[in-house]
Amino acid sequence: AQSVTQLGSHVSVSEGALVLLRCNYSSSVPPYLFWYVQYPNQGLQLLLKYTSAATLVKGINGFEAEFKKSETSFHLTKPSAHMSDAAEYFCAVEGAQKLVFGQGTRLTINP
Amino acid sequence: NAGVMQNPRHLVRRRGQEARLRCSPMKGHSHVYWYRQLPEEGLKFMVYLQKENIIDESGMPKERFSAEFPKEGPSILRIQQVVRGDSAAYFCASSPPLRSGYTFGSGTRLTVV
Repeated sequence: AQSVTQLGSHVSVSEGALVLLRCNYSSSVPPYLFWYVQYPNQGLQLLLKYTSAATLVKGINGFEAEFKKSETSFHLTKPSAHMSDAAEYFCAVEGAQKLVFGQGTRLTINP
Repeated sequence: NAGVMQNPRHLVRRRGQEARLRCSPMKGHSHVYWYRQLPEEGLKFMVYLQKENIIDESGMPKERFSAEFPKEGPSILRIQQVVRGDSAAYFCASSPPLRSGYTFGSGTRLTVV
């Protein structure tokens, strides 16, 4: 069965600093991996997805993620945080025809 | 091209009442998924449906919860005799038959008083 672990339920960075949100996955088949963002009281918006093409995936809002099979990781990064990046971020793996989500990481941006 | 439409956005029910949540998938999407998000928690899979078929209901509570996706009309998630523990955000997603195309709705926030 597929599963996802997000390391750190809360991450706080300063505006302009590097954002790094960690995600490790477990999958018995080559995985499809996703990052979603959720702003308060809103739905989920797709940031980016990995579907076995390039291992470095670029998404919206300046985010990117790198698929590392040897580390079973799919960490999300952004070089310079902006106040508007404050939100909840979810990593997900596709398994058995459905998405399996991690617990989420709440990102706080300090001015 | 409208996205996944969920209604209502907010729903308040008294304990013991029924809640009906609706989801209209994106045009061309034939697969519908329901997820529940409890306060301060991630999204938990509930059920996966195709037109007139329940494919996977492994995440559905055994009692009071049911889901359908009829040939015509939206998918419905039905919660009978609601309890306070049912208070949550319920999200619907849809996808085309091929992988990697999940689109989420804005959710229905159910409050049981």
